[in-house]
Amino acid sequence: AQSVTQLGSHVSVSEGALVLLRCNYSSSVPPYLFWYVQYPNQGLQLLLKYTSAATLVKGINGFEAEFKKSETSFHLTKPSAHMSDAAEYFCAVSVGSGNTPLVFGKGTRLSVIA
Amino acid sequence: GAVVSQHPSRVICKSGTSVKIECRSLDFQATTMFWYRQFPKQSLMLMATSNEGSKATYEQGVEKDKFLINHASLTLSTLTVTSAHPEDSSFYICSASSWTYSNQPQHFGDGTRLSIL
Repeated sequence: AQSVTQLGSHVSVSEGALVLLRCNYSSSVPPYLFWYVQYPNQGLQLLLKYTSAATLVKGINGFEAEFKKSETSFHLTKPSAHMSDAAEYFCAVSVGSGNTPLVFGKGTRLSVIA
Repeated sequence: GAVVSQHPSRVICKSGTSVKIECRSLDFQATTMFWYRQFPKQSLMLMATSNEGSKATYEQGVEKDKFLINHASLTLSTLTVTSAHPEDSSFYICSASSWTYSNQPQHFGDGTRLSIL
């Protein structure tokens, strides 16, 4: 079985500051890992994915994440926060890519302060 | 890129009404569709997995007679909440994937906000 733990239900950063959203996973098989962003009353938009290729994954909007097997982590970072980054972020794990269901973390709400 | 359209985006109806939510893949054939439910300020919970032409597989604790899922074509899956009650109020999101593009992640619809009065 897979599970995801997102540390911190709410993270607040200043505009221009580093964004770090933490995600730890548990999986009995090599995982596929994803970060999604959700704006209010909208669906999920894929930020980036890890599928056993490069451990440092670059996504959209300047976000990136590093897969660390030894730490079972897949933390999301962005060097400089923008006001438009304020949203809910979900880390998810699956045992496959497209055709297997995702197991989501509880989400982290990112607030960006001007 | 792949687009998934979900309709309606918002529904408000009386208790006892049945509500149908549609999930369409607009530019690819979705062999598998997933239905998730999201309570306010919580994560998404998988309700069921739907493969085209076969019965949906429901997660433990999800009432299949309450949440009817039909995946009759490669571009359309529907979720019908039968005899809805206030506790069914939630945000429902579908996602779609294709065996042809199995190395690609799921594509999500924009969700349906269901409010039962």
